[in-house]
Amino acid sequence: AQSVAQPEDQVNVAEGNPLTVKCTYSVSGNPYLFWYVQYPNRGLQFLLKYITGDNLVKGSYGFEAEFNKSQTSFHLKKPSALVSDSALYFCAVRDGGGNNRLAFGKGNQVVVIP
Amino acid sequence: DTAVSQTPKYLVTQMGNDKSIKCEQNLGHDTMYWYKQDSKKFLKIMFSYNNKELIINETVPNRFSPKSPDKAHLNLHINSLELGDSAVYFCASSQGSLIGYTFGSGTRLTVV
Repeated sequence: AQSVAQPEDQVNVAEGNPLTVKCTYSVSGNPYLFWYVQYPNRGLQFLLKYITGDNLVKGSYGFEAEFNKSQTSFHLKKPSALVSDSALYFCAVRDGGGNNRLAFGKGNQVVVIP
Repeated sequence: DTAVSQTPKYLVTQMGNDKSIKCEQNLGHDTMYWYKQDSKKFLKIMFSYNNKELIINETVPNRFSPKSPDKAHLNLHINSLELGDSAVYFCASSQGSLIGYTFGSGTRLTVV
């Protein structure tokens, strides 16, 4: 079964500094990878996805993620963090040869310090 | 607005009661899901429906039953509520496999 690991519980970063949220995945086939963000008391919002093609994908709010097949990673990045980026971030993976089920990681709380 | 909408947003009820949470999507998606988010923010899939057919049931107690009158609706009915059912329940929908899910804003269920 597909799974993702988000090794850190919380990521603290100063405003204006680069932000990285780590994700590694495990699937039996080709991975379809996603990042979602959850603001307090809100549902999950789609940020970006990797299906095929360029390893660097760009998404909403200035976020990007790099697919690395050899390291089975899909880290989320933002060059310059904003206080408004403080939220819970979820990585998710779907097996490209399987059903539509997305397996989510445990989430990372990002705190951007002014 | 195109969206996934859930009602109610908050639900407080006593142990042993039966309650329902409604979900509707107007995106034309062919699959709908229910997820449970616990107090540690873990997301666990409960059900999905594709063309009115249940295709996933992740060992959820049979007190939980999804009901889908049509492909735009997937309601969640819970019998004999227990304290451990307290969580945030999210409905989501998707179309095909190449796009992600669209989530509703969640229903915070508190069982007292």
